[in-house]
Amino acid sequence: DTGVSQDPRHKITKRGQNVTFRCDPISEHNRLYWYRQTLGQGPEFLTYFQNEAQLEKSRLLSDRFSAERPKGSFSTLEIQRTEQGDSAMYLCASSSGGQWPTEAFFGQGTRLTVV
Amino acid sequence: AQKVTQAQTEISVVEKEDVTLDCVYETRDTTYYLFWYKQPPSGELVFLIRRNSFDEQNEISGRYSWNFQKSTSSFNFTITASQVVDSAVYFCALSDSRIANAGGTSYGKLTFGQGTILTVHP
Repeated sequence: DTGVSQDPRHKITKRGQNVTFRCDPISEHNRLYWYRQTLGQGPEFLTYFQNEAQLEKSRLLSDRFSAERPKGSFSTLEIQRTEQGDSAMYLCASSSGGQWPTEAFFGQGTRLTVV
Repeated sequence: AQKVTQAQTEISVVEKEDVTLDCVYETRDTTYYLFWYKQPPSGELVFLIRRNSFDEQNEISGRYSWNFQKSTSSFNFTITASQVVDSAVYFCALSDSRIANAGGTSYGKLTFGQGTILTVHP
């Protein structure tokens, strides 16, 4: 297994456009997380999937954001009507574990620039 | 609410010096996990250590060591004999131990500190 994979690595879009990012977690990892990281800050939690169920969404995730994880495998994060404030690195992480998760493995992220 | 504070924004050392990165956390949970991650210039977060709140023994892994003190809510990270390759941003993180569902699985999401930029000069 090559780890968590994210696509694309970089995305430049015009304000108002929709964008979609993809995350392929480590196979058999039941937990999947999306985080957002802006310059000089630590990653901030966006949403959490356990298998295909989205169990938590951060207040950072406005109505313009939607995430899915069909069949509990890969996940997509879509941002509609992008705004300049959406410019950030979007990180995906996966982990396994029952009551307690094992360490989370992170992808290399998708850097979004909204112009 | 959970909170992680890394008071040191940037640290600059010369190669072979020892350096300690501070981490202070806040949580109401009695059981939790603490983590350290390294983020090199390539951007990918690299896992370094995971520590259970019930295990206060210090841990050493090569040039890395961690000092967990529950009494002061601190989880500090020391690099001995630093090297240029240690230059990166280091994040301390705290896991969410709330139970997410009837199966007893915790959310496990991480609350990160703001990070400490470590620069090791040759």
